[in-house]
Amino acid sequence: GDSVTQMEGPVTLSEEAFLTINCTYTATGYPSLFWYVQYPGEGLQLLLKATKADDKGSNKGFEATYRKETTSFHLEKGSVQVSDSAVYFCALLMNTGFQKLVFGTGTRLLVSP
Amino acid sequence: NAGVTQTPKFRVLKTGQSMTLLCAQDMNHEYMYWYRQDPGMGLRLIHYSVGEGTTAKGEVPDGYNVSRLKKQNFLLGLESAAPSQTSVYFCASRPSASRGYEQYFGPGTRLTVT
Repeated sequence: GDSVTQMEGPVTLSEEAFLTINCTYTATGYPSLFWYVQYPGEGLQLLLKATKADDKGSNKGFEATYRKETTSFHLEKGSVQVSDSAVYFCALLMNTGFQKLVFGTGTRLLVSP
Repeated sequence: NAGVTQTPKFRVLKTGQSMTLLCAQDMNHEYMYWYRQDPGMGLRLIHYSVGEGTTAKGEVPDGYNVSRLKKQNFLLGLESAAPSQTSVYFCASRPSASRGYEQYFGPGTRLTVT
């Protein structure tokens, strides 16, 4: 079945460091891809998305490019802030049938001053 | 707009007790979902609804029931709680398939079953 694999966390960085969180997927067909962020004590919020190959999603300095050839959707940010500390979830959505979101296990990011 | 709200925020139950979690959305969304979040497992879909009066099973439906009598509300019931149901429960909603894919999440309900 469809699945999403994320790198294990926590990822610990100093402020202004470069961030990469890896995400790869397995799907039959051509899914839409998403990154959600969960701040402490809150629900999930959509961070960015890409709906077809080579699309780049971006928001709040975060970027991710839909790479069909490597089935990947890695999240990057050039300079992280303490306020970026959160759990990040990669997810896919098949564009047929019920269109269920399939989530990865989440990666916790800790940014220190 | 309040978005998606969940009641209660926290609850402790004893094994065998029952309870209902309420999810409400004020965005006129057709689709609604219940997920559970457990450490190291991401979010797993319990039940979902594609419209008022409809419900369907997700990945992990056992031990739960749902109802969607009104479009804006989606209730999750535990008839006889078990320690394995200790989790954080999230509700989400979204417009119909033709109007976008983003799911909007509530703040969650932390349930402990002792």
